[in-house]
Amino acid sequence: AQKITQTQPGMFVQEKEAVTLDCTYDTSDPSYGLFWYKQPSSGEMIFLIYQGSYDQQNATEGRYSLNFQKARKSANLVISASQLGDSAMYFCAMREVNTGFQKLVFGTGTRLLVSP
Amino acid sequence: DVKVTQSSRYLVKRTGEKVFLECVQDMDHENMFWYRQDPGLGLRLIYFSYDVKMKEKGDIPEGYSVSREKKERFSLILESASTNQTSMYLCASSPHRGDESDTQYFGPGTRLTVL
Repeated sequence: AQKITQTQPGMFVQEKEAVTLDCTYDTSDPSYGLFWYKQPSSGEMIFLIYQGSYDQQNATEGRYSLNFQKARKSANLVISASQLGDSAMYFCAMREVNTGFQKLVFGTGTRLLVSP
Repeated sequence: DVKVTQSSRYLVKRTGEKVFLECVQDMDHENMFWYRQDPGLGLRLIYFSYDVKMKEKGDIPEGYSVSREKKERFSLILESASTNQTSMYLCASSPHRGDESDTQYFGPGTRLTVL
């Protein structure tokens, strides 16, 4: 079974609007972390935001926020006031503490296109 | 700022060649990782290392080996390159605080083409 599922291969949004990128995850580990990365066309993966499984509040970093719904096992990324520079691939990832390793499992990504 | 560098952005090799991809990080991180990225498949872990001379297989280690002789450097080796190893290769590093929040920092990637 897929550990991380991103069901939107592509999303379009107009500049200055908000957009939500979906991510659902599957784990039986009570302790885990969820990450979002951005990959522009240049190729480098840029860390955006992190949410811990025990965090009571949704994580926020500037224009990025994470809509964390633990019971539904979803961790959607919300980008407010989209900018042209937000056009990129976005990946959701998870780390399970009890795997005993430090590895991340990634989803297949969502390509976001921001139009003027 | 964490800096992860990779030796080449683009590389073209011939089938059967031995290929070395080098990765260097400057933040004294214990953990280092090699991923390959293919369209529609996301990132898949090839190997990782949690200490010098230590390595663990990831999800797709076949056809690859790694070397970590120094803490800051992690090399990916394709012993005999094949066309199905044409891909984007990403290196990452992370500190080892031992909890779920350890963030991985990535290099710019190497786009390898095997002819």
